[in-house]
Amino acid sequence: NAGVTQTPKFQVLKTGQSMTLQCAQDMNHNSMYWYRQDPGMGLRLIYYSASEGTTDKGEVPNGYNVSRLNKREFSLRLESAAPSQTSVYFCASSEATPNTEAFFGQGTRLTVV
Amino acid sequence: AQSVAQPEDQVNVAEGNPLTVKCTYSVSGNPYLFWYVQYPNRGLQFLLKYITGDNLVKGSYGFEAEFNKSQTSFHLKKPSALVSDSALYFCAVRVNTNAGKSTFGDGTTLTVKP
Repeated sequence: NAGVTQTPKFQVLKTGQSMTLQCAQDMNHNSMYWYRQDPGMGLRLIYYSASEGTTDKGEVPNGYNVSRLNKREFSLRLESAAPSQTSVYFCASSEATPNTEAFFGQGTRLTVV
Repeated sequence: AQSVAQPEDQVNVAEGNPLTVKCTYSVSGNPYLFWYVQYPNRGLQFLLKYITGDNLVKGSYGFEAEFNKSQTSFHLKKPSALVSDSALYFCAVRVNTNAGKSTFGDGTTLTVKP
């Protein structure tokens, strides 16, 4: 049971380059999320998708776009990377009901130089 | 708006001693409260949750947490700490509104020394 799978695990980009972070879950969850984790700032929600076909902005959406390709997959795109986007990115999924816990991928460590 | 506060960036305890990691929250409505643990270079793992009922909930690896509605707190506890408990701990809250999104605290680094 793979759970939540993120690719790649590590990435170095030059300022202005673009890339897509991939995420897939095999738990049939409706809700999926993208977070970034920065030292001393906990987890901040970038975008989320409450169900297939819907996406909404979270706390820090600027500079990012997302696609909920199907129920399993939720990708995060950086169109023009900036050094401020250097971070660790986590994808998560959960049931839509709020009394359920989230399951997290292992993270993507992104460095923008 | 919902929020979670973890007032201690770091907690240090000796192996075998009890540990407490503090969490307070602010929500409109009834909260669902969660604790997650993160080991180095890994994603967050679920530890335990409070939904309703008994204020003391038990979770993985011998951890437990006490829900206190009057103090809006959900502190994580363990009677006897292990060196292997050393990790980053996050408290989180969800509510029925707000599209069920989770709000996380900033995290507390627990260090257990032999």
